[in-house]
Order: sequence, then structure tokens, then C-alpha cells
Amino acid sequence: DQQVKQNSPSLSVQEGRISILNCDYTNSMFDYFLWYKKYPAEGPTFLISISSIKDKNEDGRFTVFLNKSAKHLSLHIVPSQPGDSAVYFCAGTNAGKSTFGDGTTLTVKP
Amino acid sequence: ETGVTQSPTHLIKTRGQQVTLRCSSQSGHNTVSWYQQALGQGPQFIFQYYREEENGRGNFPPRFSGLQFPNYSSELNVNALELDDSALYLCAIHGSSDNEQFFGPGTRLTVL
Repeated sequence: DQQVKQNSPSLSVQEGRISILNCDYTNSMFDYFLWYKKYPAEGPTFLISISSIKDKNEDGRFTVFLNKSAKHLSLHIVPSQPGDSAVYFCAGTNAGKSTFGDGTTLTVKP
Repeated sequence: ETGVTQSPTHLIKTRGQQVTLRCSSQSGHNTVSWYQQALGQGPQFIFQYYREEENGRGNFPPRFSGLQFPNYSSELNVNALELDDSALYLCAIHGSSDNEQFFGPGTRLTVL
């Protein structure tokens, strides 16, 4: 049973446009949701998080939206830049333990 | 700057062997988690250590074990290696809040 799912393995967008990465979850006990970015040969780097009691969190070009009734969250990147090209993981945490999705590879074309 | 380091960066073992992977950080942190990331998948939680005690475990058999030392460094030990243990192993130290984790670059383990 995969508790966190990222149904799109890849996404390609043009520089300057919006990137929307999606994530679905089944575990209602998650207290935080996080997005990580991963480059090859590096560990995941924390990007942005949202508490389960919020529906939106914004940090610069990155905004995360949480829809608890649909058990769905999304990461919006506006405007997208070529340096954003990486694998993006969403994760749910419960008492400090994280469950990750399988990632979405974002490619931003110049 | 947390400066999480892992050693070795790459490792090749054969089935049945044992392996020890290490994790350390520049600053002390009470909590460390270990993850296994198979190719094409997200990291899977193996276990977590808090102040040298195991504090939660994922769906991994007992041949996966760990240690956390007073200097906050940590080890992951895997006995009786199997081919499916081939993966990237990541450690993460926890920041001031539980949802904040800083990952090391990982150790790539190949089991032949």
C-alpha cells in the first residue's frame, strides 16, 4: 500500500511558465507534508512544507497547496527556471517519520 | 550549515556479506533517520534513532540494524546481504522541528 503517490513520473515545461507537481496520499495521520528536490549524486534538499492544518504555504517562487478532503497536494513553481530541473519528491510525516512518493522528474526548457 | 556526510560513497559487496554504512554531521543532532532508495523509487524509511535509542522502524527485517553514538554519528548495518539490498542509502539528521530533515549525499550499495 503506497501511502504517498506521485502519478506523473515526468513533467516538461518552458522557462518562465508555471510548473505544477501533484501528489496524492492515503494516510490521514500525516501532520506535515514536505517537498524535496534532488539532483543526481546528491541527497534530497528540503524545499517547502505545509502543516496539515493549513491549505497554502508560499515561499518565493514556490507555493504548496493542500486539499485535505481530496487528500491531494500540489507544488507550484512560478516562474520556472532551467535550474529547477531536478527530481521532486513529496513526503508526508507523522511523528517525525517520513513517507515519500516515487518522485517526478521536472525538466525546464530554456 | 549541517554538513551531513556519509561514507563510503560507493560500495560493492556479494550476497551473504555484511556491510556498515556511516553518517555524521558537523553539528550535533539528537535524531537521525535512515532511508533506502531503490532505483526509480522514493526513499523508504528504515529506522530512526533518538539519543542513541531506536525510535521507530519501517518495514525492514531485523538484519537491518543501526547505532547512534554520543557524538551523534550513526551507523547502518546490514547482515546477510541480498541482491535486492542494492540501493542508495540515505541518512538524514533532524533539525529543530521534526519535519525538518537534512540529507547526506548517500552511499550507493551494489550487491552482486
